[in-house]
Amino acid sequence: GAGVSQTPSNKVTEKGKYVELRCDPISGHTALYWYRQSLGQGPEFLIYFQGTGAADDSGLPNDRFFAVRPEGSVSTLKIQRTERGDSAVYLCASSPRGGLSNQETQYFGPGTRLLVL
Amino acid sequence: GENVEQHPSTLSVQEGDSAVIKCTYSDSASNYFPWYKQELGKRPQLIIDIRSNVGEKKDQRIAVTLNKTAKHFSLHITETQPEDSAVYFCAADAGGTSYGKLTFGQGTILTVHP
Repeated sequence: GAGVSQTPSNKVTEKGKYVELRCDPISGHTALYWYRQSLGQGPEFLIYFQGTGAADDSGLPNDRFFAVRPEGSVSTLKIQRTERGDSAVYLCASSPRGGLSNQETQYFGPGTRLLVL
Repeated sequence: GENVEQHPSTLSVQEGDSAVIKCTYSDSASNYFPWYKQELGKRPQLIIDIRSNVGEKKDQRIAVTLNKTAKHFSLHITETQPEDSAVYFCAADAGGTSYGKLTFGQGTILTVHP
């Protein structure tokens, strides 16, 4: 079946602009995660959704970052007043249910490469 | 919060040799330890994982060992092939009230020379 998809694959913007990054999880997966991967580093957790609600947003670096998942499927990561330091690959992952008892595999999307000039 | 350290940062081996990558973690409540392979410009792909109720798991040429007492786990690749060349990341879950939040190591660049 179809895996996790993300759009756009690449995004170039200017400092101060607003950007939206989209994630389509695997159909039926209720758990959705956003990670950020800087060059030469491992992915860093940003936010986790269980269904429509953000169960944990402790990884969001500041209030310029916000994410939504209004219908429990597609999610959008929104970055306001972008800064050069926001340049990174933004990865989305999904898993069937999330949760302690399952410790499920997270399936990653291809990422959106964001470059802030 | 969880802290995961990964070593070495780069590893170069000859085709057919074995490769070992080691990770340590800080949160004793962590229960789930996946390993991901990431080729240049591609998404991370799960290659093997281990849960805290087992000490070792093997899948063909790949094996993972876990020592919960010492809080470390290792990836072993035998009979390496050039197509094994990639960046490998270990990760650990948040433990306790975990819902799958993963903390990743810094990555190991593995190069297998033909």
